[in-house]
Amino acid sequence: ETGVTQSPTHLIKTRGQQVTLRCSSQSGHNTVSWYQQALGQGPQFIFQYYREEENGRGNFPPRFSGLQFPNYSSELNVNALELDDSALYLCASSLAGGARMNTEAFFGQGTRLTVV
Amino acid sequence: AQSVTQLGSHVSVSEGALVLLRCNYSSSVPPYLFWYVQYPNQGLQLLLKYTSAATLVKGINGFEAEFKKSETSFHLTKPSAHMSDAAEYFCAAALPSNYKLTFGKGTLLTVNP
Repeated sequence: ETGVTQSPTHLIKTRGQQVTLRCSSQSGHNTVSWYQQALGQGPQFIFQYYREEENGRGNFPPRFSGLQFPNYSSELNVNALELDDSALYLCASSLAGGARMNTEAFFGQGTRLTVV
Repeated sequence: AQSVTQLGSHVSVSEGALVLLRCNYSSSVPPYLFWYVQYPNQGLQLLLKYTSAATLVKGINGFEAEFKKSETSFHLTKPSAHMSDAAEYFCAAALPSNYKLTFGKGTLLTVNP
């Protein structure tokens, strides 16, 4: 059983650029959630994808967008990068069935994004 | 809406001493509650979870937490700290229907020899 993997592990971008972060969910999981963890803070929910559809969004602007693919892997895209976007981006996968989540969320190691 | 408050951004204990990390929550409906641990430059690892069954939850590495509805608390304890317990600990809440986690700001645990 493979765990949640994220790529790349580290990334440096210039303000105004665009970035794509990738996440492979744990085998058998159909839901992916993305979180932003700024330095010294707890993770903040960005959005969640369930069966390729966005299933809820946190308080993040539209320049944060995502995709989920048929194999349940996912991408997080951020346009027009700002200095405050510098953070650790965490992906979590879980399994949803019906109206309830029936497993805990398993987290990847994260992608450290630095915007200069 | 939910919120999670962790009291104490930094807790320091001696090796072998009791560990107590505090977490209070606010939620419009009974939430699921979690404790995660994060080691430097790593993701989050689940320590334990409360999902409306037993109020005393035992987790990995000797940690446990007790859900107290009257106090809206879910404090994490370990009877005897080990050096390897030094890490950042996060309390989180989620509605049972969607598993979108709301995290506290974290508590850094330092264990002194």
